[in-house]
Amino acid sequence: GENVEQHPSTLSVQEGDSAVIKCTYSDSASNYFPWYKQELGKRPQLIIDIRSNVGEKKDQRIAVTLNKTAKHFSLHITETQPEDSAVYFCAATRGSWGKLQFGAGTQVVVTP
Amino acid sequence: GAVVSQHPSWVICKSGTSVKIECRSLDFQATTMFWYRQFPKQSLMLMATSNEGSKATYEQGVEKDKFLINHASLTLSTLTVTSAHPEDSSFYICSARDAPAVNEKLFFGSGTQLSVL
Repeated sequence: GENVEQHPSTLSVQEGDSAVIKCTYSDSASNYFPWYKQELGKRPQLIIDIRSNVGEKKDQRIAVTLNKTAKHFSLHITETQPEDSAVYFCAATRGSWGKLQFGAGTQVVVTP
Repeated sequence: GAVVSQHPSWVICKSGTSVKIECRSLDFQATTMFWYRQFPKQSLMLMATSNEGSKATYEQGVEKDKFLINHASLTLSTLTVTSAHPEDSSFYICSARDAPAVNEKLFFGSGTQLSVL
């Protein structure tokens, strides 16, 4: 069935460095790709999203790229800070109701 | 952004009892809501799609008689875990869109941590 794969599962970076998380999806009908940040015990918070008619989107230190042909999308965080430490999930829509299929998550640890 | 309220935040119950979780859209109407379950250190797994005024649609492997969903109004969906057992202990979280298009933002409730003893 349709799924979303996410890599890496854990990512340790030095403060100030960049972090990149990659996802692939299988459903060619997917048209919306959000990224969520989740802290322990909390709800997922949307940090950035991209629609299928756009190849790249940036919001301050966060950017997302989408390659529809290859069915890849990536999250880029620049100038990482300790408060960026959290679990990040990518997702892709599937089906007529726009259900979100989530990746397995990436634990990001930013060390001072 | 839109606000989705979920109650209770946590619940502890005895094995065999039923637990009801409420999900409300506070400042918008939600024809469709989604219920997810998340085990520790795992991803969010979609359980079912809740549609106002009609039966919920369950994902493969999710028992509809065990996880009862009622979406009686445009602002309220409830999930009842019937005859809960320890393996049902998990973080349950609902979500909804404040716009009809399926490529719009999905907002999440604060989640309910269920512990079944």
